[in-house]
Amino acid sequence: DIQMTQSPSSLSASVGDRVTITCRASQGISNYLAWYQQKPGKVPKLLIYAASTLQSGVPSRFSGSGSGTDFTLTISSLQPEDVATYYCQKYNSAPSFGGGTKVEIK
Amino acid sequence: QVQLVQSGAEVKKPGASVKVSCKASGYTFTSYGISWVRQAPGQGLEWMGWISAYNGNTNYAQKLQGRVTMTTDTSTSTAYMELRSLRSDDTAVYYCARTPHDFWSGYPLGENDYWGQGTLVTVSS
Repeated sequence: DIQMTQSPSSLSASVGDRVTITCRASQGISNYLAWYQQKPGKVPKLLIYAASTLQSGVPSRFSGSGSGTDFTLTISSLQPEDVATYYCQKYNSAPSFGGGTKVEIK
Repeated sequence: QVQLVQSGAEVKKPGASVKVSCKASGYTFTSYGISWVRQAPGQGLEWMGWISAYNGNTNYAQKLQGRVTMTTDTSTSTAYMELRSLRSDDTAVYYCARTPHDFWSGYPLGENDYWGQGTLVTVSS
């Protein structure tokens, strides 16, 4: 099975900082990758699909990039409402999620 | 608007079965699939499997093969997930989510754009 590894597992940044989260697949997955945001006690929310396509209604400070095995989620200017855990997911055969990255405000 | 409404919380004893429902509205049910994802307390997301509401094709996570069955009732736009031989480590919030259907392969394929509210299943003696 293809493993998805996220890093870091947690981070603390200041409001306005640029934040980058990485997701690495153990084998190439083309661009079959999505990013989700889950706030405490809430349902996961789709942010990005096809590695770089912004879901409708998601603020433009979120962006995704990558293809093959290495992917990145970037928050260009961290806001207080972005405190959450972020998950990557590969969704070609046998989907799986990364372990998550918890984002906090410093 | 698209909505997925799940059945209520369940408490089960080890060895029992649970069946969670997910009623869809606001879109053409048979044009999509439904994925099931669970989250144990304090843990990450785990993909359980998916089912096409178009043709009933399923694909289950290997670790759950033999214990899980996913079905749909197109007359009521409802998906079901049954998990058998429950163990304490099956305690989790179970989510359904809408997934695009890939008409070329005949299986769901894609991101989960709408999610149900979650159903807490507690397994305890």
